[in-house]
Amino acid sequence: AQKITQTQPGMFVQEKEAVTLDCTYDTSDPSYGLFWYKQPSSGEMIFLIYQGSYDQQNATEGRYSLNFQKARKSANLVISASQLGDSAMYFCAINVLGTDKLIFGTGTRLQVFP
Amino acid sequence: DSGVTQTPKHLITATGQRVTLRCSPRSGDLSVYWYQQSLDQGLQFLIQYYNGEERAKGNILERFSAQQFPDLHSELNLSSLELGDSALYFCASSAGGASGGQETQYFGPGTRLLVL
Repeated sequence: AQKITQTQPGMFVQEKEAVTLDCTYDTSDPSYGLFWYKQPSSGEMIFLIYQGSYDQQNATEGRYSLNFQKARKSANLVISASQLGDSAMYFCAINVLGTDKLIFGTGTRLQVFP
Repeated sequence: DSGVTQTPKHLITATGQRVTLRCSPRSGDLSVYWYQQSLDQGLQFLIQYYNGEERAKGNILERFSAQQFPDLHSELNLSSLELGDSALYFCASSAGGASGGQETQYFGPGTRLLVL
């Protein structure tokens, strides 16, 4: 069975600083995808970034990048130059080849302060 | 805006009642997924439809059912509602190619259900 672990229930970061949100995963399948979603207080789930297990390079999308360490089974999200609007819950999720469902972690609440 | 629409946004009902949640996927997407987000269970996959056919089932209660129509919109039916069914219900969609592809799922805004 697949599992996602997010060990940081809450994180604080000052505006314009970078922050890393941790995510470790457990799967025995060689082919999988890792996703990060943002959930602001309004409730919607916003897709941020994707990393495939066979991707050679770490994924980047604007201010978001993924620190993918396959041997350690970690896929940490790095947000650079934090903005007040980044305050939200962040979820890491995994999708394994052979199944389409996403398995989510428990999330990390990020608070950005001025 | 993800392009996935869900109605209604909020729903308040009583125990024992039945409700229907509606979802329209992004244009061109063939797969629709339903997820439930509650305080005690977190985000859980319920069911997936691909081009009108059920493809995968998760932790979906027997009191819940879903379907995907020929125009690809989907409905999630929740019956004999209990207090514990109060949650945020998300619909997501993806292009839905070969089974198991690592496709990005785009989520709708959710329907917040409160059972009193």
